[in-house]
Amino acid sequence: DVKVTQSSRYLVKRTGEKVFLECVQDMDHENMFWYRQDPGLGLRLIYFSYDVKMKEKGDIPEGYSVSREKKERFSLILESASTNQTSMYLCASSEAVQETQYFGPGTRLLVL
Amino acid sequence: EDQVTQSPEALRLQEGESSSLNCSYTVSGLRGLFWYRQDPGKGPEFLFTLYSAGEEKEKERLKATLTKKESFLHITAPKPEDSATYLCAVLAAGGTSYGKLTFGQGTILTVHP
Repeated sequence: DVKVTQSSRYLVKRTGEKVFLECVQDMDHENMFWYRQDPGLGLRLIYFSYDVKMKEKGDIPEGYSVSREKKERFSLILESASTNQTSMYLCASSEAVQETQYFGPGTRLLVL
Repeated sequence: EDQVTQSPEALRLQEGESSSLNCSYTVSGLRGLFWYRQDPGKGPEFLFTLYSAGEEKEKERLKATLTKKESFLHITAPKPEDSATYLCAVLAAGGTSYGKLTFGQGTILTVHP
């Protein structure tokens, strides 16, 4: 079974803090994704990576950056957290671009 | 722009009362359509992938079908443990949408005992 893990289930941060969300997959998948999920807005793609050290912007990249130094690990960075970044963050991975994306359990982030 | 619309927004069923959820899509070349189940506070759990019109997939009480414009998730004799939000997503072929899933808003299913 594909397993995608995320470093924290719940996180509380202060405005202006730098926040790291980490995601690890154990299936040697090429592609990894970061989404946020908000009531009424659904899932929106922040960034994705189709290879180590390669990244592409999704629909809402502003205020975020990513890092993928190793194939199995994809990090989402909030350079200076703001209250409008309070959300559920979901990481996913897939073997190939057209293949199924498998999701992690999510990190619920609260920015005060 | 790719669009996915799910209906109804919410559905309440009695245990054993079969029904269907709808996912209508507009996409520039469909590469795949995906169904997920999401429980409160958790990540989406993969259910089915459909690639071409006429394709059907089944798993326990769930059956997914695909036409050129929509997909249905049929739930036969549901049980309370089937209560969840069901998400539909499409993957477009080529262009600026390449590799990006577009999600619907989801259908919240509640099954009463």
